[in-house]
Formats: sequence, structure tokens, C-alpha cells
Amino acid sequence: ETGVTQSPTHLIKTRGQQVTLRCSSQSGHNTVSWYQQALGQGPQFIFQYYREEENGRGNFPPRFSGLQFPNYSSELNVNALELDDSALYLCASSLGPGGKVNEQFFGPGTRLTVL
Amino acid sequence: AQSVTQLDSQVPVFEEAPVELRCNYSSSVSVYLFWYVQYPNQGLQLLLKYLSGSTLVKGINGFEAEFNKSQTSFHLRKPSVHISDTAEYFCAVVHGSSNTGKLIFGQGTTLQVKP
Repeated sequence: ETGVTQSPTHLIKTRGQQVTLRCSSQSGHNTVSWYQQALGQGPQFIFQYYREEENGRGNFPPRFSGLQFPNYSSELNVNALELDDSALYLCASSLGPGGKVNEQFFGPGTRLTVL
Repeated sequence: AQSVTQLDSQVPVFEEAPVELRCNYSSSVSVYLFWYVQYPNQGLQLLLKYLSGSTLVKGINGFEAEFNKSQTSFHLRKPSVHISDTAEYFCAVVHGSSNTGKLIFGQGTTLQVKP
């Protein structure tokens, strides 16, 4: 069974650019959540995709957007990059949305540096 | 709004000594509680979770935690630590009726195990 994978591992961009991060969910999982982890902080929820639809969103501006594909893989897009967007971006997949029974399995993350 | 407070940013301890990492949460409704570990340059791995039932929860790698509703705490303990336990530890909660199961994380505690 393949776990959650993310690409790329590292990325360097400049302010104002756009970036796309990718996540492949664990086999059988239809839900993907994205988190941003700034240096020295705990992860913060960006949004969640369930069956190709956005299912919930955290306190992030609209320049953070996402997609989920029929195979349940997902993309996180960030437009007009700012220095504060520098962080580790974590993707987590689960069997479904909701909290009690749907454990989230995390990928290794993508380290984004904005110069 | 829910929040999670990890009371110690760093905990240094000698190998084979016991350790406790403290976590308090604020919520007026039911929550599910989690502890995750993050090794350098890796994603998050679930150590243990409290959903309901017995307030003492046992997890992987010899860790356990106790849910104390009156104190709104979920402290993590291990009776004897190893060098390999050196990592970042995150406490997290999920709102009981959340439709996303989004995890709300604390700031993290760095466990430094010394030989």
C-alpha cells in the first residue's frame, strides 16, 4: 500500500510568482486536506477536498486555491507569492471527511521558500 | 474559538528518564484529541488519539496520554525515553461536530533526548 506522496520536495520562488504543489493520496482515500506549517509553528488548515469538491476552508486568502482529480490526487496553487508564504506545505489524506473515525495520513511535505 | 496550548516549547531530558509533554485545549464543545510526532524533514506521524471511552490512551513507541476533561488537558507521557525519540511533538484537537475533521494544532514541543 502506497502512502501519501508529495512533489516537489523543495521549491524556491520569488515574490509575485505562482506555484503548484501536488499530492497523491493513499490508496482508497477520497479526502485530501492541506496544511501550512511555518517555521517553528504548528500546521494550520488551509482547505479540504472531498470527492473533487472543496469541503471546508481555513483562514487563508483566495490566492490559495486547490483542485482534486477523479483519482483523488490534489493540487494546491498559490498565486502572487509573498515572503510569508515560505513554509512546509503538508498534505493529508483520509477515508472521508469528519473527525471521529477518519484518521489523516500525512505526506512528507513540500518546503517552499519565497525570496 | 478552539485553541491548543503546548506549555513547553523545549523539553530536554536524559536517555532512559521519564518525560511528560503538556497540552491544554480550550473548547466549549466535545473534541477529539491527538498527538503527532514529526522527525526532521518528515511529515507528521500519529502517536495516539482519544475519541471516547477510557481516558488513558496508549499509542505507538511506548507513549501514552491521559484525557482530563475537568482540566481540559491531554498530556503525553513516556516512562523511559530513547535517543530516537528526539523530535517535534504536536498536540491537536478536532471539533466534535466538524464536517472536515480539520486538525487544530498547538505550537509544538521539541523533545531533546541526551545520552
